[in-house]
Order: sequence, then structure tokens, then C-alpha cells
Amino acid sequence: AQTVTQSQPEMSVQEAETVTLSCTYDTSESDYYLFWYKQPPSRQMILVIRQEAYKQQNATENRFSVNFQKAAKSFSLKISDSQLGDAAMYFCAYRSDRGADGLTFGKGTHLIIQP
Amino acid sequence: GAVVSQHPSRVICKSGTSVKIECRSLDFQATTMFWYRQFPKQSLMLMATSNEGSKATYEQGVEKDKFLINHASLTLSTLTVTSAHPEDSSFYICSARQGARNTEAFFGQGTRLTVV
Repeated sequence: AQTVTQSQPEMSVQEAETVTLSCTYDTSESDYYLFWYKQPPSRQMILVIRQEAYKQQNATENRFSVNFQKAAKSFSLKISDSQLGDAAMYFCAYRSDRGADGLTFGKGTHLIIQP
Repeated sequence: GAVVSQHPSRVICKSGTSVKIECRSLDFQATTMFWYRQFPKQSLMLMATSNEGSKATYEQGVEKDKFLINHASLTLSTLTVTSAHPEDSSFYICSARQGARNTEAFFGQGTRLTVV
């Protein structure tokens, strides 16, 4: 079974600074997808960014980018120019391309933005 | 577009009763829907996957007779918690996907269930 590990229960960053959230995963599969989701206090899950494992290029979405290291099974999220609205829980997630459907989530990182 | 609506957002029920949670895709046809459970300050755990017109596939450890999932149409899936107990109190979230695995699944806003 796949596992997703987020080793940082909580992170704090000053507004306008950059922060990196860590995620590692364990899988024996070669084809899969990785995601970062944001869950604000409203509890609505919002997709931040996704990465296909077959793509070597790191995904970027405006201020959000990932560092995908397939051999190391690492998938970190970098948030640049942090804003107060970025404060939320961030979950790293894995989905198989061929095996079981559905997402496997990490335990999450609570991101605090200091004004 | 791509809106998934869950209803109700909050529900309180008495022990021993059943409660139904609806998950609707408002502007697309959801061939696959997923149900997750989230305990307080914890991660989301996949409970089951359902494809329209087929029986749901439950994850290991999830009681299919307790958590009844119906995906009778391309826009509606329901989760019924039968004979609810206080330990079933949790946050339940659905997500829905229109196409193949490489397409995005969108989440509903979740349902807070409290069993008293």
C-alpha cells in the first residue's frame, strides 16, 4: 500500500516570505499522480497543484511550485510571497495511475502566516 | 464550473438512527465518486469508491453494511450511516470526477455528523 508522510505538523512564515512544505511517499508503482491540497477553516478542499510522475518538469501555479524528486520519492511545495490567505492546512496526496483509485493523504501541515 | 455540493453541511442525529448524506455534481456528470472521512485535526481517509450504476468498492476496515453508498445517477451519490453511534461522529467529504483517472476530482464542502 502507498503511504504519504508529512513530517511538519505546523509551519510558520512571515507574510511575503517563502516557505517550503515537505512530503515524502512510498510506492512500488512507476505511474502515479501527486497533489497538494489546501483546506482552510471552511474545510473545503482546494487543489493547489498536481504533478504527473512521468513528467520530469516541476509543476508551477503562480506563487506555488513543487520540487518533485522521483528517485527520492519526495514532493515538496514551495509557496512564494506568502499571503495571509494562504493560512490553512496543506495536505499532500497520492493517486495511483493503474491500481486502486482514490487519494491517499498525508497527515497535513498547518501553515501559519505571520503578518 | 465543476461544482460538487454536499447536503446537509451539518447534521445531528440520535444513536441508533440512520442519516443520509447527499453528494451532487451540479455542472458535470460524475462517473466516479469518492467518500472520505476526516477525524478532528487528522487527515482524510478514503472510505469507498463508487462508479455510477455499480456497487461501491470499500476500503479495508470500512463496514459496507454500516456505510451504505448508492451512486444511482451520474450526478448523485448518497452515503447512509446506518444505526449511527457516537463513534461515527466525524466530518464526511465526497469528491466527484467526470472522466478518466487523469482528470481532476472535485470536492464537496463536507458534512459534519454528530451522533448524540
